[in-house]
Amino acid sequence: KAGVTQTPRYLIKTRGQQVTLSCSPISGHRSVSWYQQTPGQGLQFLFEYFSETQRNKGNFPGRFSGRQFSNSRSEMNVSTLELGDSALYLCASSWGSQSSYNEQFFGPGTRLTVL
Amino acid sequence: AQSVAQPEDQVNVAEGNPLTVKCTYSVSGNPYLFWYVQYPNRGLQFLLKYITGDNLVKGSYGFEAEFNKSQTSFHLKKPSALVSDSALYFCAVRSTNSGGYNKLIFGAGTRLAVHP
Repeated sequence: KAGVTQTPRYLIKTRGQQVTLSCSPISGHRSVSWYQQTPGQGLQFLFEYFSETQRNKGNFPGRFSGRQFSNSRSEMNVSTLELGDSALYLCASSWGSQSSYNEQFFGPGTRLTVL
Repeated sequence: AQSVAQPEDQVNVAEGNPLTVKCTYSVSGNPYLFWYVQYPNRGLQFLLKYITGDNLVKGSYGFEAEFNKSQTSFHLKKPSALVSDSALYFCAVRSTNSGGYNKLIFGAGTRLAVHP
């Protein structure tokens, strides 16, 4: 089985722009979660989607949003980019929702740099 | 508040020696605990999890973890370290919000350096 894929792998944007990141989960996985990883804040949960519904959301401003499609692929969008949004954005998929005991499988991440 | 603490930023160990990476947790209810490893320029890889049952959990690549309820700890261990084990290790706990939905809360990570 192919693993979790994320595109693009690297992005450079300027302040005020918006960006869309894409995640394709492992085939058959219905849950997709997004995390932000920075040296200062570590790994922080952004949100989880399960069967096209947002099940949970972390403590991030409304500029961060996401969606999931019927094929379980997910996108996250960040509008009005700020310098502090520079981070590695990780996507993880699992067969069940985070309400289950299933472990998550992570993609390689998208490295976003905001100038 | 539910949380995970990894008290050591870095652990140094000689190849062939046993290694321990520490993790303590604070949760209400039953703890569901996970260990992940991250290699440079890659996402996280699942190592093992504790849901219930035996306190000693065996995982991938020869790693194991010991769940200790009284000490609220879930330390990662390996009997004999390899240079290739050098990576960033994350402990995580499943947290339930007021709506009944769950998310993973990660510790800050511990960098393991195994020297030849």
